This record gives sequence, structure tokens and C-alpha cells, in this order.
Amino acid sequence: EAGVTQSPTHLIKTRGQQATLRCSPISGHTSVYWYQQALGLGLQFLLWYDEGEERNRGNFPPRFSGRQFPNYSSELNVNALELEDSALYLCASSLFVGYRSYEQYFGPGTRLTVT
Amino acid sequence: AQKITQTQPGMFVQEKEAVTLDCTYDTSDPSYGLFWYKQPSSGEMIFLIYQGSYDQQNATEGRYSLNFQKARKSANLVISASQLGDSAMYFCAMRLIQGAQKLVFGQGTRLTINP
Repeated sequence: EAGVTQSPTHLIKTRGQQATLRCSPISGHTSVYWYQQALGLGLQFLLWYDEGEERNRGNFPPRFSGRQFPNYSSELNVNALELEDSALYLCASSLFVGYRSYEQYFGPGTRLTVT
Repeated sequence: AQKITQTQPGMFVQEKEAVTLDCTYDTSDPSYGLFWYKQPSSGEMIFLIYQGSYDQQNATEGRYSLNFQKARKSANLVISASQLGDSAMYFCAMRLIQGAQKLVFGQGTRLTINP
């Protein structure tokens, strides 16, 4: 069974540009989560999508946005890139049944570098 | 709000020895789950073990066990018979059972296994 996949592996952008990161969940998982792992800041929750809806977002500005498609894959968009957006962006997926989610399985991440 | 504290930034252990990685947590919610993840240098977060707040017995998964002491709010990871491949960052995380399904992570412990 295929795990969570993310693309691209690496992304280099300049300040002010937009970045789009993609994630495909494990087959059968309806929930997708995005996390940012910036140097010195640890892992921070960004967004949670389930059944195409944004369910929760972390303490990030509105220029971080995303969506979930009917096949449950997801996109994270970061507009007006700033240098401090440089980080490893991790996507995770899980089952979500009866208002309860299960273990989150992570993808390999996209390393975004903003110059 | 939930909080995870990992007080050991780094640990060095001889191969084949057992190792305990410390984790304490804080939440006022009685229903939660505790997780341990391993992050090798490749960046991918690998799920290791889960403990629910109502579970009566400590969780075990192969060489991994979770020493859950609810009254002390601690959830230490024990790795028995350590191997060179265990060298990685280890993160403790928690999630509430109801409501926002985000994982809250600790700062991590870098474990190095020496031959």
C-alpha cells in the first residue's frame, strides 16, 4: 500500500513569489494535515482538511491557504513568500470516523527555500 | 491548550543498550492521545507508538514501549536493544480525542547510537 506522497521534494522561490505544495494521502484516508517544520521552531500545525472542508487552522497568516480535492489530495499555497517561510512542509493523512481521527501518517515532506 | 515538553535535546547510547526518552505533557482535557514519531535525517516522520488516555495498559510495538504515568503526566518512550538505525530525532506529540485534531509536538530529542 502506498504511503503519503508529496511533491515537489524541493522548491526554491524568491521572496514575494507564490509556492504550491501537493500531497496525496494514503488510500482510504479522508483527512489531510499540513505542518511546518522551521529551523528552531519545531513542528507547527498549519491546516487540517477533511472531506473537502477546512476544519481547523493553526496560528499562521492568511497567505497560507490550501484546499482538498474530491479525491482527498490536497494543495498548500503560500503567497507573498517571506524568508522565514523557508522550512520543511510535512503533510499527514489519517482516517476520521465519528468525530475521531486516528494515527497520522506523514509524507516525506517538501523542503521550501525562499531566497 | 496542550503542551509537550522534551527535556533531553540530545542523547548518546551504546548499541544494544536500552534507552528512555522523556516526555511530559500538559492538558486539562481528560481525553487525549499520545504519540511518538521518529524523524531520520531524510525528514520523513515515522509513526512509532500510540497511547490513549484511557488505556489501562502501556502500549508496546516491537522494541518500542511507552511508559505512561498519567498522574505524573509523563509518556516516556523506551527503546530496548538499541540499533545503529535508531539514530534519529524523536518527537513526542499529543492530540485531543475530540475537537481540533492537530498534533502538538515537543521540541524533540536527537538520539545517537554509538557502535
